[in-house]
Amino acid sequence: TQLLEQSPQFLSIQEGENLTVYCNSSSVFSSLQWYRQEPGEGPVLLVTVVTGGEVKKLKRLTFQFGDARKDSSLHITAAQPGDTGLYLCGGNAGKSTFGDGTTLTVKP
Amino acid sequence: DAGVTQSPTHLIKTRGQQVTLRCSPKSGHDTVSWYQQALGQGPQFIFQYYEEEERQRGNFPDRFSGHQFPNYSSELNVNALLLGDSALYLCASSLEGYGYTFGSGTRLTVV
Repeated sequence: TQLLEQSPQFLSIQEGENLTVYCNSSSVFSSLQWYRQEPGEGPVLLVTVVTGGEVKKLKRLTFQFGDARKDSSLHITAAQPGDTGLYLCGGNAGKSTFGDGTTLTVKP
Repeated sequence: DAGVTQSPTHLIKTRGQQVTLRCSPKSGHDTVSWYQQALGQGPQFIFQYYEEEERQRGNFPDRFSGHQFPNYSSELNVNALLLGDSALYLCASSLEGYGYTFGSGTRLTVV
């Protein structure tokens, strides 16, 4: 059983559309990180959310940490082909853990 | 500013052999963590090293062992390789466990 469940597993959209991906757990996390990973590369840290209810924005990406610090979401506005990749959430609940990610494909 | 460097980038081994993977952390980082990422899955935590000691360990058998050197670089050793050990092995460095920077990984294929 995965400690962090990510949904959807796969998402394919057209350029310009908006999307939201989710990271859920039954455990409380002191912080959660979001990463993007491209084929053949390691994950690259996008953001860390720490406070329950926190919202962080990174250009067209908006990250939210749930009030109970058990879940998080990533919203992308006006997606571009360059946003294509595997989006991973990760945290530490006794030890480092990651979800299995959402594979996003943005078609031009 | 060099990031995390892993070597080799690709490796093919035969079942039953032993392998050593290497990681140089980002400058200024003192903690190294190792992960195994199978195709279509997220990274699975193997262990973390800090001050040359294994600080945390995931659910991996004793065939997986590691070492951290005084210059903070690290090695991951896997003995008695199984076909199921084929994966991308990622090294991540951080300062006292915060703000992970990942390397590009070593792609291990066991045949």
